[in-house]
Amino acid sequence: EDKVVQSPLSLVVHEGDTVTLNCSYEVTNFRSLLWYKQEKKAPTFLFMLTSSGIEKKSGRLSSILDKKELFSILNITATQTGDSAVYLCAGLRQNYGGSQGNLIFGKGTKLSVKP
Amino acid sequence: DADVTQTPRNRITKTGKRIMLECSQTKGHDRMYWYRQDPGLGLRLIYYSFDVKDINKGEISDGYSVSRQAQAKFSLSLESAIPNQTALYFCATSAPLDGETQYFGPGTRLLVL
Repeated sequence: EDKVVQSPLSLVVHEGDTVTLNCSYEVTNFRSLLWYKQEKKAPTFLFMLTSSGIEKKSGRLSSILDKKELFSILNITATQTGDSAVYLCAGLRQNYGGSQGNLIFGKGTKLSVKP
Repeated sequence: DADVTQTPRNRITKTGKRIMLECSQTKGHDRMYWYRQDPGLGLRLIYYSFDVKDINKGEISDGYSVSRQAQAKFSLSLESAIPNQTALYFCATSAPLDGETQYFGPGTRLLVL
């Protein structure tokens, strides 16, 4: 059975701290791993990782994928209160024949950044 | 204007009632999805559609049905609502040429009494 497991489930830090969020996956016909940020609304896209070992960066956020060990991490440096959200990790499964399959989501990590 | 819209945004209904949630998109994407989100369980896929003639069950399709009326419209129906279908429902779209990223609607909060 496909599954995506995120850890920790919740995390409380202070502004300026650096955090690392973890995501491990077991996804049949794995194609890519996606990270989303969800505040009190719909998830918004952060990163899609397809190749192992290539770091993607966007401002203070960065992420990397290890396809051998089946995990990804999301790093946030110099955290701000606006980073408080649930961070969702999802594995993209590719259907037979090469067409896109569907996303398998983890339960999310709830990050709270205190002033 | 939002690319993916959902109606209604909030709905309260009673057990046994039929209810339809609608999703429309202006992104021109072929692929559309319905998810439900429950506290502590994350996002779970209900149904997905890769084009107008294609409908696929997700991991929790029991108690739900869908209709892909057009490329831009994908509706989710609860034929006879039950309280454990109380949840936040999201519609999403994607396209291979757009990196297969899924774009989410704002969500519909459903309460079944």
